[in-house]
Amino acid sequence: ETGVTQSPTHLIKTRGQQVTLRCSSQSGHNTVSWYQQALGQGPQFIFQYYREEENGRGNFPPRFSGLQFPNYSSELNVNALELDDSALYLCASSLSGGNGDTQYFGPGTRLTVL
Amino acid sequence: GQNIDQPTEMTATEGAIVQINCTYQTSGFNGLFWYQQHAGEAPTFLSYNVLDGLEEKGRFSSFLSRSKGYSYLLLKELQMKDSASYLCAVGTGANNLFFGTGTRLTVIP
Repeated sequence: ETGVTQSPTHLIKTRGQQVTLRCSSQSGHNTVSWYQQALGQGPQFIFQYYREEENGRGNFPPRFSGLQFPNYSSELNVNALELDDSALYLCASSLSGGNGDTQYFGPGTRLTVL
Repeated sequence: GQNIDQPTEMTATEGAIVQINCTYQTSGFNGLFWYQQHAGEAPTFLSYNVLDGLEEKGRFSSFLSRSKGYSYLLLKELQMKDSASYLCAVGTGANNLFFGTGTRLTVIP
């Protein structure tokens, strides 16, 4: 069974640029959630995708957008990068979009915005 | 508003028992999750409680009281590898996880 994978591992961008982060869900999982984790903080929910549709969104501006593909992999896009966007971005997959479903996390992408 | 409180840091001795407390106030509740996160790594799932009471899984146990908005994670027979951050998270009605800031546990010899 393949776990959740993310790419790239690390990324350095400058303010104002755009970035795309990628996630492959665990085998058999059709739901992907994205989280932002600043240093010393817990992860914060960005949004969730269930069967290619957005299924909930946290308190993040519209320049954070996403996609889910038919194979349930997902992308997180961030436009007009700001310094505060520097963080670890975590992707988590779960078996279905059901409440209380356990989410399994990937290794994350460390984004640095200069 | 939503809030989760857990201690920022704890230190315990190898072989001992440690209890990490978590209190929460959230707009929805679909269960209480505990995750372990080693520095620079992804959170890994430890336990899930949706009903009141104690769930035991090897050296780790988790307790939930929904009426008190309270949970704890109990770690027995501490090992050096247990040094990590422990994240308390509530599954909310929007089917996402609302996390606390985590408790950094240091196990000393």
